[in-house]
Amino acid sequence: SQQGEEDPQALSIQEGENATMNCSYKTSINNLQWYRQNSGRGLVHLILIRSNEREKHSGRLRVTLDTSKKSSSLLITASRAADTASYFCATDAGSARQLTFGSGTQLTVLP
Amino acid sequence: DAGVIQSPRHEVTEMGQEVTLRCKPISGHNSLFWYRQTMMRGLELLIYFNNNVPIDDSGMPEDRFSAKMPNASFSTLKIQPSEPRDSAVYFCASRLAANTGELFFGEGSRLTVL
Repeated sequence: SQQGEEDPQALSIQEGENATMNCSYKTSINNLQWYRQNSGRGLVHLILIRSNEREKHSGRLRVTLDTSKKSSSLLITASRAADTASYFCATDAGSARQLTFGSGTQLTVLP
Repeated sequence: DAGVIQSPRHEVTEMGQEVTLRCKPISGHNSLFWYRQTMMRGLELLIYFNNNVPIDDSGMPEDRFSAKMPNASFSTLKIQPSEPRDSAVYFCASRLAANTGELFFGEGSRLTVL
C-alpha cells in the first residue's frame, strides 16, 4: 500500500511560475524524500528532510515538513520547461527503513 | 560511477515464458531494492536485500516471482511463468547502507507479456 499521497495528481504552469506539490502520509517517519522521474527514465533523488527538520532548501527547491499534520510540500521556484516530470514523495518509516512511494504529481511546465 | 545498471531495458515475451531481469547495484552499496511501476498501482516495493540477504519479500505478488542476490554486485528478479498482468516497468535501486536515505535507481526494465 502507498504511504504517501501527492496532491495534485497533475499540475500545468507557465515557465517562470512557481510549482507547489503536496504529500500526505499516514505513519510516523524517519525522513521524507522527494524524487523526480522523467518520462521513460528511472527516479532521481532530489532532497531528503528528516523528521526533526521543518524546512530545507536545495537550489530552486524548497521542502517543508509538518509532522503534526503528516504532510510535506515541495516548491519549485522559477520553473523551467526542463522541470517537466513526475515528482514523488517517499517515506522512510519504521525500523525496516524501506521507502514507500506516493502516487506522484505530473508537472508540466509550458514554455 | 556507472550507476545502477539494469538489463534488459525492454523485454517482450509471451504468456507462460520465464522472464529474468538483472541488476548491478552501485559498487559499495549494501542495500538493493526491486520495485514495480504500473499506471494503476504506482511504485510497489517487491523485495529488498541488505548485505545480500532478503529482508522483506512481502511485496512479491505470488510464488511466480522470485529474487536472488548471490553476491554484492548482482541480483536477479525472475518471473515463471509470466502472465499479461505482470506487464510493468521493473526498477532496481541501491543505497549505501541500510540506514541511509537516498536511493539510486536504474533506468528500469520495461516488460510486456503478451
